[in-house]
Amino acid sequence: GAVVSQHPSRVICKSGTSVKIECRSLDFQATTMFWYRQFPKQSLMLMATSNEGSKATYEQGVEKDKFLINHASLTLSTLTVTSAHPEDSSFYICSARTQGATNEKLFFGSGTQLSVL
Amino acid sequence: QKEVEQDPGPLSVPEGAIVSLNCTYSNSAFQYFMWYRQYSRKGPELLMYTYSSGNKEDGRFTAQVDKSSKYISLFIRDSQPSDSATYLCAMTKAAGNKLTFGGGTRVLVKP
Repeated sequence: GAVVSQHPSRVICKSGTSVKIECRSLDFQATTMFWYRQFPKQSLMLMATSNEGSKATYEQGVEKDKFLINHASLTLSTLTVTSAHPEDSSFYICSARTQGATNEKLFFGSGTQLSVL
Repeated sequence: QKEVEQDPGPLSVPEGAIVSLNCTYSNSAFQYFMWYRQYSRKGPELLMYTYSSGNKEDGRFTAQVDKSSKYISLFIRDSQPSDSATYLCAMTKAAGNKLTFGGGTRVLVKP
């Protein structure tokens, strides 16, 4: 299947710093990318949907100024957690699909474990 | 009440046994149903993708959907220790819409 690369896999940072997570589609054009967060033993919660070249659409309750999403190319989307605090510690996962593809062709990255001290 | 309910487990079975997983949901508009496998600290991997009611088989995996009962199941035959993971159900109203996930069931297959 298609490959979605997510980097870094793990990051530890001090409270107040910003952290950038990258999500790349390696062998297809990712016209749509999704960002999720997952707390221990809980499900994936959709944070936002981004379409290449457009502003991201955030889910209710997700602060768009805190979780900045950029999807400037067909192979790369980034999530920046600005001024991170301990409550932002979580597992962040991206997924991507190409235009017109169904969710059968939705591919997930391997996730980023963010720990804010 | 959550839109999609899934027993968190853990579900422990001996190697070779059948693993039976299920989810219930409340939104009758859901039409597409998926099962994902997620190993610890990794992204989900699609196992089964079904539309509307019915059964689908792929190797050791069988997915069943009963829309009248708002109930979906995944069966894993001849379970192996490598099947130990968290299994997430997911569903959506239309083919390209965002997914709603269950909370996941942790499965342990003991040698």
